[in-house]
Amino acid sequence: EAGVVQSPRYKIIEKKQPVAFWCNPISGHNTLYWYLQNLGQGPELLIRYENEEAVDDSQLPKDRFSAERLKGVDSTLKIQPAELGDSAVYLCASSSNTGTDSNYGYTFGSGTRLTVV
Amino acid sequence: AQSVTQLGSHVSVSEGALVLLRCNYSSSVPPYLFWYVQYPNQGLQLLLKYTSAATLVKGINGFEAEFKKSETSFHLTKPSAHMSDAAEYFCAVSRYSSASKIIFGSGTRLSIRP
Repeated sequence: EAGVVQSPRYKIIEKKQPVAFWCNPISGHNTLYWYLQNLGQGPELLIRYENEEAVDDSQLPKDRFSAERLKGVDSTLKIQPAELGDSAVYLCASSSNTGTDSNYGYTFGSGTRLTVV
Repeated sequence: AQSVTQLGSHVSVSEGALVLLRCNYSSSVPPYLFWYVQYPNQGLQLLLKYTSAATLVKGINGFEAEFKKSETSFHLTKPSAHMSDAAEYFCAVSRYSSASKIIFGSGTRLSIRP
């Protein structure tokens, strides 16, 4: 099993430019999360999807951030335009709320490290 | 509301010594508690979880944590540190065991001295 796959791993862009991140969750995981991790801090939830529906996007800065999860599988997170303060690691995670999972089922990807210059 | 506080942003121990990483939680409902480890430039890996069963939870890589309701604590320990344990450790809390928002602490960086 490939786990949660994110791309790109690293991205450097100039401020005011757009950027997009992609996440492919574990097969069968209906719940998908995007977290923001600033340097030296713990991750903070940006948005949570149940299948294709965004059920918690209260922490997503909607003026510049957007996300979608078409067909309830892959997801993209977009920033337009990017600001210097957006430099961080963007983590995707997925989980399943059906059946049992001895490992809790909440699995993180390796993240995308964004640098805005 | 739920939150976790990790005491000490950086802990340094000698190889072979006891590892103790402290975590206190705040929750208005019975919590689910977790410890995650993050190696440089990698995602988070689950070390162990408390889901209201046994209060002493054993995880991977020889780590364990004890849920103490009276102290609202969930400290992480390992009897003997290994060089490969050097990483960032995050304590986290959730309302449910799955499909829910996880709230993370600010992390503790563990360094191991030869």
